[in-house]
Amino acid sequence: AQRVTQPEKLLSVFKGAPVELKCNYSYSGSPELFWYVQYSRQRLQLLLRHISRESIKGFTADLNKGETSFHLKKPFAQEEDSAMYYCALNYGNNRLAFGKGNQVVVIP
Amino acid sequence: GAVVSQHPSRVICKSGTSVKIECRSLDFQATTMFWYRQFPKKSLMLMATSNEGSKATYEQGVEKDKFLINHASLTLSTLTVTSAHPEDSSFYICSASQGVNTEAFFGQGTRLTVV
Repeated sequence: AQRVTQPEKLLSVFKGAPVELKCNYSYSGSPELFWYVQYSRQRLQLLLRHISRESIKGFTADLNKGETSFHLKKPFAQEEDSAMYYCALNYGNNRLAFGKGNQVVVIP
Repeated sequence: GAVVSQHPSRVICKSGTSVKIECRSLDFQATTMFWYRQFPKKSLMLMATSNEGSKATYEQGVEKDKFLINHASLTLSTLTVTSAHPEDSSFYICSASQGVNTEAFFGQGTRLTVV
């Protein structure tokens, strides 16, 4: 069965410091990975998808099939990056399996 | 982005009663809607996939007679929790997409408390 693992629950970083959120997956098919973000009191929204290979709000994520990982990175954290981040896997027909999420707190 | 609205945002119901949650796509036609459930401090878990005009497809372990899903139009899907019990208390979230491999947009969620 498909599975998405995000190891740390809470991540506190200082403004300007690098951020890395780890995501590993387990899936027998061809993986399609996403990062979703949820800002305080807002709904879940798409941040990145691996197939688009773009940088959004300074965040990047590379799919590493050998390591079954899709880690999210940003070189310099900003206060507005404080949010909940979820890694997700499309296991067919847009059905998503989510990780438990990471709460990121950026300290001014 | 497109807007998906859930109603109500919060609902409290008595054990044994049924409660209906609506999910609407406000500015696009959603051929597919998804219903997720989120337990406290846990991740979102997909319950079912709802396609307009056809029966919903439930994930393994989800009771279809307990969680009735109707997708009668391209802009509305409903989730009815029947004979609710306190263990059904949870955060229910829907998402909607225009089709396969298109972005799914999420509703704001519905907090259900069964007392």
